[in-house]
Amino acid sequence: DSGVTQTPKHLITATGQRVTLRCSPRSGDLSVYWYQQSLDQGLQFLIQYYNGEERAKGNILERFSAQQFPDLHSELNLSSLELGDSALYFCASSVEAYSNQPQHFGDGTRLSIL
Amino acid sequence: GESVGLHLPTLSVQEGDNSIINCAYSNSASDYFIWYKQESGKGPQFIIDIRSNMDKRQGQRVTVLLNKTVKHLSLQIAATQPGDSAVYFCAEKQRSGGGADGLTFGKGTHLIIQP
Repeated sequence: DSGVTQTPKHLITATGQRVTLRCSPRSGDLSVYWYQQSLDQGLQFLIQYYNGEERAKGNILERFSAQQFPDLHSELNLSSLELGDSALYFCASSVEAYSNQPQHFGDGTRLSIL
Repeated sequence: GESVGLHLPTLSVQEGDNSIINCAYSNSASDYFIWYKQESGKGPQFIIDIRSNMDKRQGQRVTVLLNKTVKHLSLQIAATQPGDSAVYFCAEKQRSGGGADGLTFGKGTHLIIQP
């Protein structure tokens, strides 16, 4: 158990809809990362937050957004969903923002777009 | 763009043998590398990491080797067990414009343990 909690585990919705994925980092970790894993693109970094502030953006679409709350949990919002957004979405956390420390991953949310 | 890649998509080894999983990276400025193990239905699990100022690091039954000259990373698993069956990813720390730490992952190697 990594200590990172993601909900829900599975999400099924239709094209054009909006969903929110939730992540609670490990106790003591201030930095949260979101990744997308798909068969064709592999694991791709989306966005990072540290102590409530956005720190880095990767391959995140404009239809996607995230935030980190004062209690350090994070939410990833996906809107105007398309079939191609079907993927596993992982959250990871680490203690700091700029350090050579491992990121610890949750077990992901599997998003299926019908 | 720069990326991290794996040489072999599938590796089959006999139980008890040693496994070696290889990874090539292309960003010479990367200074931190991590190996993850992912089992079906689970998220990537941290195995071992290495900083660019090191050539070798050992953990419990695992060793990571870093060759910066040829930009190559390998993971050695000693006395492979059935529980080692999984997909293994190498990842490098990518510095974005903001100076933070998104990881770039390779495509993964599926390690299969034969009884």
